[in-house]
Amino acid sequence: AQSVTQLDSQVPVFEEAPVELRCNYSSSVSVYLFWYVQYPNQGLQLLLKYLSGSTLVKGINGFEAEFNKSQTSFHLRKPSVHISDTAEYFCAVSPFSGYSTLTFGKGTMLLVSP
Amino acid sequence: DAEITQSPRHKITETGRQVTLACHQTWNHNNMFWYRQDLGHGLRLIHYSYGVQDTNKGEVSDGYSVSRSNTEDLPLTLESAASSQTSVYFCASSEGLADTDTQYFGPGTRLTVL
Repeated sequence: AQSVTQLDSQVPVFEEAPVELRCNYSSSVSVYLFWYVQYPNQGLQLLLKYLSGSTLVKGINGFEAEFNKSQTSFHLRKPSVHISDTAEYFCAVSPFSGYSTLTFGKGTMLLVSP
Repeated sequence: DAEITQSPRHKITETGRQVTLACHQTWNHNNMFWYRQDLGHGLRLIHYSYGVQDTNKGEVSDGYSVSRSNTEDLPLTLESAASSQTSVYFCASSEGLADTDTQYFGPGTRLTVL
C-alpha cells in the first residue's frame, strides 16, 4: 500500500515570493509521482509528473518538482508566485503495477496575497 | 473538444434515498474513477473501472456501487444515502494504456444528505 503526506495544510505567501510545497510518500513498491492543482470550485488538473529519468521535473505555470528517492520526497516549487496561483495542491502516487490508481495526499492550500 | 462531465452539479437528498451521480467522458478512455473529497482527507478512491463490464472497489467503497455498460459512462449509485456521504464527488478518466497515464477530472458534484 502507498501513503502520501503533505506536511502543510496551508501555506500563505506574498505575490512574487518563492514557494515550496512539501510532499513525502511511503510505499513498499516503486511509484510514479504526480502533482495536481485544484482551483476554486473546479476539478483537478495535472501540474506535472515524475515517471523516470531526471529527478527535476518541470510542469505547467512555472512549477517544478524534485524527486528525492532517499528522502522519499517530491516537493513542489515555484520561484515567483502570482495571485492566480491561489489554489489547493495535491501530491499523488501511483504504483509500478500496470494499473493507474492514484493515492492522494490531503492537500495544501496555497494562499497568495498582494 | 473532448471532455468529462458530471451531473447534477449540486444535489440535496434525504437519508435513506437512492441517489445516482452521472459521469460521462468523450475521450474514449478505458479507465474511469470515482473519488470523494472531504476536508482534511483529500481525495479518496471509491470505485474504478478499467473497461466495459469491469468494476473494482477502492478505499471507501461501502455504500456505493458502479456499473460500466459502455466506454463513455460510469454512474455512481448510493444505495441508501447517509449523512456521512455528504461530500464533493469527482469523476476522472485516463487512457488506460499505461500506469503513467494522466487522469482527467470532471468539475465535481456537491452532494448533501439531510
